[in-house]
Amino acid sequence: AQTVTQSQPEMSVQEAETVTLSCTYDTSENNYYLFWYKQPPSRQMILVIRQEAYKQQNATENRFSVNFQKAAKSFSLKISDSQLGDTAMYFCAFRQIQGAQKLVFGQGTRLTINP
Amino acid sequence: NAGVTQTPKFQVLKTGQSMTLQCAQDMNHNSMYWYRQDPGMGLRLIYYSASEGTTDKGEVPNGYNVSRLNKREFSLRLESAAPSQTSVYFCASSEALRGGTDTQYFGPGTRLTVL
Repeated sequence: AQTVTQSQPEMSVQEAETVTLSCTYDTSENNYYLFWYKQPPSRQMILVIRQEAYKQQNATENRFSVNFQKAAKSFSLKISDSQLGDTAMYFCAFRQIQGAQKLVFGQGTRLTINP
Repeated sequence: NAGVTQTPKFQVLKTGQSMTLQCAQDMNHNSMYWYRQDPGMGLRLIYYSASEGTTDKGEVPNGYNVSRLNKREFSLRLESAAPSQTSVYFCASSEALRGGTDTQYFGPGTRLTVL
Protein backbone atom coordinates (compact mmCIF):
# COMPACT_ATOMS: atom_id res chain seq x y z
CA ALA A 1 0.00 0.00 0.00
CA GLN A 2 1.14 3.49 -0.76
CA THR A 3 1.99 5.89 2.04
CA VAL A 4 2.70 9.61 2.05
CA THR A 5 4.71 11.30 4.78
CA GLN A 6 4.99 14.99 5.54
CA SER A 7 7.60 15.38 8.26
CA GLN A 8 6.98 19.05 9.07
CA PRO A 9 3.75 19.50 11.10
CA GLU A 10 4.16 23.29 11.17
CA MET A 11 6.24 25.96 9.46
CA SER A 12 6.35 29.71 9.76
CA VAL A 13 8.08 32.30 7.55
CA GLN A 14 7.99 36.03 6.94
CA GLU A 15 6.10 37.50 4.04
CA ALA A 16 8.14 37.59 0.79
CA GLU A 17 10.45 34.78 1.92
CA THR A 18 10.79 31.45 0.14
CA VAL A 19 9.64 28.31 1.91
CA THR A 20 9.96 24.62 1.03
CA LEU A 21 7.55 21.95 2.27
CA SER A 22 8.74 18.35 2.29
CA CYS A 23 6.93 15.21 1.18
CA THR A 24 8.11 11.64 0.76
CA TYR A 25 6.11 8.68 -0.42
CA ASP A 26 6.41 4.96 -0.70
CA THR A 27 5.20 2.96 -3.70
CA SER A 28 6.23 0.07 -5.89
CA GLU A 29 4.53 1.64 -8.93
CA ASN A 30 6.60 3.20 -11.70
CA ASN A 31 3.95 5.56 -13.04
CA TYR A 32 1.73 7.66 -10.81
CA TYR A 33 0.62 11.21 -10.10
CA LEU A 34 1.56 13.53 -7.27
CA PHE A 35 -0.33 16.58 -6.06
CA TRP A 36 -0.11 19.41 -3.58
CA TYR A 37 -3.40 20.69 -2.19
CA LYS A 38 -3.90 23.81 -0.08
CA GLN A 39 -6.58 23.99 2.63
CA PRO A 40 -7.11 27.53 3.97
CA PRO A 41 -9.21 28.19 7.10
CA SER A 42 -12.33 28.01 4.92
CA ARG A 43 -11.57 24.24 4.69
CA GLN A 44 -11.88 24.24 0.91
CA MET A 45 -9.35 21.87 -0.72
CA ILE A 46 -7.62 23.75 -3.53
CA LEU A 47 -5.26 22.16 -6.04
CA VAL A 48 -1.89 23.94 -6.04
CA ILE A 49 0.21 21.88 -8.42
CA ARG A 50 0.45 18.40 -9.93
CA GLN A 51 3.22 16.23 -11.33
CA GLU A 52 3.15 13.17 -13.56
CA ALA A 53 5.85 10.70 -12.51
CA TYR A 54 6.85 9.95 -16.10
CA LYS A 55 7.75 13.61 -16.68
CA GLN A 56 11.29 14.49 -15.66
CA GLN A 57 10.65 18.22 -15.77
CA ASN A 58 9.51 19.71 -12.47
CA ALA A 59 6.06 21.30 -12.55
CA THR A 60 5.69 25.04 -11.92
CA GLU A 61 2.63 27.24 -11.40
CA ASN A 62 3.52 30.91 -10.95
CA ARG A 63 5.13 31.20 -7.48
CA PHE A 64 4.76 27.48 -6.80
CA SER A 65 7.21 24.85 -8.00
CA VAL A 66 8.12 21.31 -7.07
CA ASN A 67 11.35 19.39 -6.73
CA PHE A 68 10.47 15.89 -7.85
CA GLN A 69 13.15 13.29 -7.11
CA LYS A 70 11.72 9.99 -8.34
CA ALA A 71 14.56 7.76 -7.18
CA ALA A 72 14.43 9.24 -3.69
CA LYS A 73 10.60 9.24 -3.74
CA SER A 74 10.57 12.86 -2.73
CA PHE A 75 8.18 15.60 -3.84
CA SER A 76 8.79 18.96 -2.16
CA LEU A 77 6.84 22.18 -2.76
CA LYS A 78 8.62 25.52 -3.00
CA ILE A 79 6.67 28.74 -2.53
CA SER A 80 8.52 31.83 -3.69
CA ASP A 81 7.74 35.40 -2.61
CA SER A 82 5.30 34.07 0.00
CA GLN A 83 2.12 36.05 0.62
CA LEU A 84 -0.24 36.29 3.59
CA GLY A 85 -2.86 34.45 1.54
CA ASP A 86 -0.57 31.43 1.37
CA THR A 87 -1.31 30.74 5.04
CA ALA A 88 -3.01 27.32 5.05
CA MET A 89 -2.62 23.60 5.60
CA TYR A 90 -0.78 21.98 2.71
CA PHE A 91 -1.33 18.34 1.83
CA CYS A 92 0.80 16.18 -0.41
CA ALA A 93 -1.14 13.44 -2.20
CA PHE A 94 -0.36 10.39 -4.32
CA ARG A 95 -2.48 8.66 -6.89
CA GLN A 96 -1.61 5.48 -8.77
CA ILE A 97 -2.58 5.22 -12.42
CA GLN A 98 -3.95 1.69 -12.39
CA GLY A 99 -6.46 0.23 -10.00
CA ALA A 100 -8.28 2.05 -7.22
CA GLN A 101 -8.91 5.69 -8.02
CA LYS A 102 -8.07 7.16 -4.66
CA LEU A 103 -5.81 9.89 -3.46
CA VAL A 104 -3.53 8.96 -0.57
CA PHE A 105 -2.85 12.02 1.55
CA GLY A 106 -0.05 12.95 3.91
CA GLN A 107 -0.79 14.33 7.36
CA GLY A 108 -0.38 17.92 6.25
CA THR A 109 1.89 20.87 7.06
CA ARG A 110 0.44 23.98 8.66
CA LEU A 111 2.12 26.97 7.00
CA THR A 112 1.87 30.43 8.51
CA ILE A 113 3.05 33.52 6.63
CA ASN A 114 3.81 36.37 9.03
CA PRO A 115 3.57 40.06 8.04
CA ASN B 1 -20.10 26.79 -12.86
CA ALA B 2 -20.58 26.03 -9.17
CA GLY B 3 -18.12 23.11 -9.30
CA VAL B 4 -18.78 20.63 -6.49
CA THR B 5 -21.50 21.52 -4.00
CA GLN B 6 -22.33 19.80 -0.72
CA THR B 7 -25.28 20.02 1.65
CA PRO B 8 -25.56 20.58 4.52
CA LYS B 9 -22.52 22.61 5.63
CA PHE B 10 -22.97 21.68 9.29
CA GLN B 11 -24.92 18.93 11.06
CA VAL B 12 -25.26 17.69 14.63
CA LEU B 13 -26.66 14.20 15.20
CA LYS B 14 -27.37 12.05 18.21
CA THR B 15 -25.91 8.56 18.36
CA GLY B 16 -28.10 6.18 16.37
CA GLN B 17 -29.68 8.80 14.14
CA SER B 18 -29.40 8.55 10.38
CA MET B 19 -28.72 11.15 7.74
CA THR B 20 -27.69 11.59 4.13
CA LEU B 21 -25.01 13.95 2.88
CA GLN B 22 -25.66 15.26 -0.60
CA CYS B 23 -23.08 16.06 -3.27
CA ALA B 24 -23.52 17.37 -6.80
CA GLN B 25 -21.09 18.44 -9.53
CA ASP B 26 -21.75 20.42 -12.70
CA MET B 27 -18.47 19.67 -14.51
CA ASN B 28 -19.77 16.56 -16.31
CA HIS B 29 -17.19 14.46 -14.44
CA ASN B 30 -17.35 10.68 -14.58
CA SER B 31 -15.94 9.84 -11.16
CA MET B 32 -17.00 11.01 -7.71
CA TYR B 33 -15.57 10.40 -4.24
CA TRP B 34 -16.34 10.74 -0.55
CA TYR B 35 -13.54 11.44 1.94
CA ARG B 36 -13.43 12.12 5.64
CA GLN B 37 -10.93 14.35 7.43
CA ASP B 38 -10.29 13.85 11.12
CA PRO B 39 -8.42 16.44 13.21
CA GLY B 40 -4.72 16.64 12.41
CA MET B 41 -4.98 14.15 9.56
CA GLY B 42 -5.20 14.09 5.83
CA LEU B 43 -8.27 12.95 3.97
CA ARG B 44 -9.18 9.26 3.79
CA LEU B 45 -11.37 7.75 1.10
CA ILE B 46 -14.70 6.29 2.23
CA TYR B 47 -16.31 5.29 -1.08
CA TYR B 48 -15.95 6.24 -4.70
CA SER B 49 -17.89 5.90 -7.93
CA ALA B 50 -15.74 5.43 -11.00
CA SER B 51 -18.69 6.00 -13.32
CA GLU B 52 -22.45 6.32 -13.20
CA GLY B 53 -23.95 3.08 -11.91
CA THR B 54 -20.84 1.83 -10.08
CA THR B 55 -19.60 2.25 -6.53
CA ASP B 56 -16.60 0.82 -4.68
CA LYS B 57 -15.28 0.81 -1.13
CA GLY B 58 -12.36 2.96 -0.18
CA GLU B 59 -10.10 2.85 2.85
CA VAL B 60 -12.73 3.44 5.61
CA PRO B 61 -16.18 2.29 4.35
CA ASN B 62 -17.62 0.77 7.54
CA GLY B 63 -20.76 2.49 8.77
CA TYR B 64 -21.50 4.20 5.45
CA ASN B 65 -23.47 3.58 2.28
CA VAL B 66 -23.46 5.51 -0.97
CA SER B 67 -25.70 6.04 -3.96
CA ARG B 68 -24.67 7.36 -7.36
CA LEU B 69 -28.06 8.78 -8.22
CA ASN B 70 -27.04 9.97 -11.68
CA LYS B 71 -23.92 11.39 -13.28
CA ARG B 72 -24.19 14.62 -11.27
CA GLU B 73 -25.08 13.37 -7.80
CA PHE B 74 -23.39 11.10 -5.26
CA SER B 75 -24.84 10.78 -1.77
CA LEU B 76 -23.35 9.39 1.44
CA ARG B 77 -25.62 7.85 4.07
CA LEU B 78 -24.97 7.15 7.73
CA GLU B 79 -27.59 4.60 8.84
CA SER B 80 -26.82 4.71 12.57
CA ALA B 81 -24.42 7.50 13.45
CA ALA B 82 -21.66 6.91 16.01
CA PRO B 83 -19.39 9.42 17.78
CA SER B 84 -16.44 7.94 15.82
CA GLN B 85 -18.04 9.37 12.68
CA THR B 86 -17.60 12.92 13.91
CA SER B 87 -15.50 14.41 11.13
CA VAL B 88 -15.43 16.76 8.18
CA TYR B 89 -16.71 15.09 5.02
CA PHE B 90 -15.55 16.10 1.57
CA CYS B 91 -17.00 15.16 -1.78
CA ALA B 92 -14.80 15.32 -4.89
CA SER B 93 -15.12 14.65 -8.60
CA SER B 94 -12.78 14.03 -11.52
CA GLU B 95 -13.01 13.56 -15.26
CA ALA B 96 -11.31 10.14 -15.18
CA LEU B 97 -10.40 10.18 -18.85
CA ARG B 98 -7.93 7.55 -20.03
CA GLY B 99 -4.40 8.96 -20.10
CA GLY B 100 -5.32 12.07 -18.10
CA THR B 101 -3.94 13.27 -14.81
CA ASP B 102 -7.41 12.90 -13.34
CA THR B 103 -7.23 15.79 -10.93
CA GLN B 104 -9.89 15.68 -8.23
CA TYR B 105 -11.85 18.83 -7.42
CA PHE B 106 -13.33 19.15 -3.96
CA GLY B 107 -16.51 20.53 -2.46
CA PRO B 108 -16.50 22.86 0.58
CA GLY B 109 -17.04 20.07 3.11
CA THR B 110 -19.67 19.15 5.71
CA ARG B 111 -18.78 19.35 9.39
CA LEU B 112 -20.63 16.52 11.18
CA THR B 113 -20.77 16.13 14.95
CA VAL B 114 -22.25 13.01 16.52
CA LEU B 115 -23.09 13.35 20.21
